[in-house]
Amino acid sequence: ETGVTQTPRHLVMGMTNKKSLKCEQHLGHNAMYWYKQSAKKPLELMFVYNFKEQTENNSVPSRFSPECPNSSHLFLHLHTLQPEDSALYLCASSQDGAGGLGEQYFGPGTRLTVT
Amino acid sequence: RKEVEQDPGPFNVPEGATVAFNCTYSNSASQSFFWYRQDCRKEPKLLMSVYSSGNEDGRFTAQLNRASQYISLLIRDSKLSDSATYLCVVNKPDDYKLSFGAGTTVTVRA
Repeated sequence: ETGVTQTPRHLVMGMTNKKSLKCEQHLGHNAMYWYKQSAKKPLELMFVYNFKEQTENNSVPSRFSPECPNSSHLFLHLHTLQPEDSALYLCASSQDGAGGLGEQYFGPGTRLTVT
Repeated sequence: RKEVEQDPGPFNVPEGATVAFNCTYSNSASQSFFWYRQDCRKEPKLLMSVYSSGNEDGRFTAQLNRASQYISLLIRDSKLSDSATYLCVVNKPDDYKLSFGAGTTVTVRA
């Protein structure tokens, strides 16, 4: 099993709800990521935190709001989502030094359905 | 052009067969290459890194062709448990972000 946990594993929410996804890594890594995976599409990188600083925001709509309180925890706050946001949301972590390693460890994901 | 392109398959092979597939990447400066495996409704997991000289891990062999900008994965003596989607992954120098292919689906049948 990986050292990255995510909760909840499944979430159904209405378009007016507010919810949060949680990710925790127990690997001592210094970088954490949020990805979106839709059916038959490549993983889409949403946010990157390196040493707790957000270093990437791939034009993600503001209805998705990340939070990284420390190097082990990562949240994704959701509000006023659209049905097309239904997808598998994956958290990952890695230990990155100069040049980057590129080996990322994924959590089991949260399967989100927006109704 | 997509950063990473893969044949989606599916590749349907009998147990014991050999199956191979490629992945092309667009950025000639890419330095690190990986194959990840993703089982149905599960998270991706690192299968193997791909080294310049090619590398083998049991029944799995990965090759890198920088001139043509592709990597390959070969699975020998396929097992039912090899059924999965194989994701091609690359990153760039000094960049901890990964670019993922959409995956190649392999189904091994008894």
